Amino acid sequence: DVKVTQSSRYLVKRTGEKVFLECVQDMDHENMFWYRQDPGLGLRLIYFSYDVKMKEKGDIPEGYSVSREKKERFSLILESASTNQTSMYLCASSAPDRSTEAFFGQGTRLTVV
Amino acid sequence: GENVEQHPSTLSVQEGDSAVIKCTYSDSASNYFPWYKQELGKGPQLIIDIRSNVGEKKDQRIAVTLNKTAKHFSLHITETQPEDSAVYFCAGPRESSASKIIFGSGTRLSIRP
Repeated sequence: DVKVTQSSRYLVKRTGEKVFLECVQDMDHENMFWYRQDPGLGLRLIYFSYDVKMKEKGDIPEGYSVSREKKERFSLILESASTNQTSMYLCASSAPDRSTEAFFGQGTRLTVV
Repeated sequence: GENVEQHPSTLSVQEGDSAVIKCTYSDSASNYFPWYKQELGKGPQLIIDIRSNVGEKKDQRIAVTLNKTAKHFSLHITETQPEDSAVYFCAGPRESSASKIIFGSGTRLSIRP
């Protein structure tokens, strides 16, 4: 059974903290994504990686960075967490073909207080 | 801006009735049109997809139809059941990138008993 695993289901962090969200996939996929999900706004793309050490900004990259040192792992970093980053974060992976299924992790609900 | 628009944002139907959700897209080169279902507390999961060489695809109670001329595709759920209650997303590739996947804003479907 294919899997995308996010390291935490729930996180509570303080304003100003540096936060790491980790995602691991076991499908040898080239593409990995970080999305943010907020009510009424759907899934918004934060960052995208198409290969190790390669990344592209999505629609809302401000306040975030990413790291992809190994093919299976894609990390989202909140450099200095703020309350407006309280949200559900979803990681996904897919094969490089544009016509292909994306596989999602279970999500991390982050609360910044 | 967004390349995939989804309607309606919420939909409530009587159990046993049909539900239809529609997405429009702008990338005329798109050839893959998936639908994802997100149940409470889980990440989205692919439920059905269609490629541009066919106009309709069915899988038991769900079907997807594609109108390439009008650039829209729709999800049809017949004989709705309580377990169909979820958020549904359509998806498509971003015009500017071959591998980025962007999602519609989502439809929250509620099935009334």
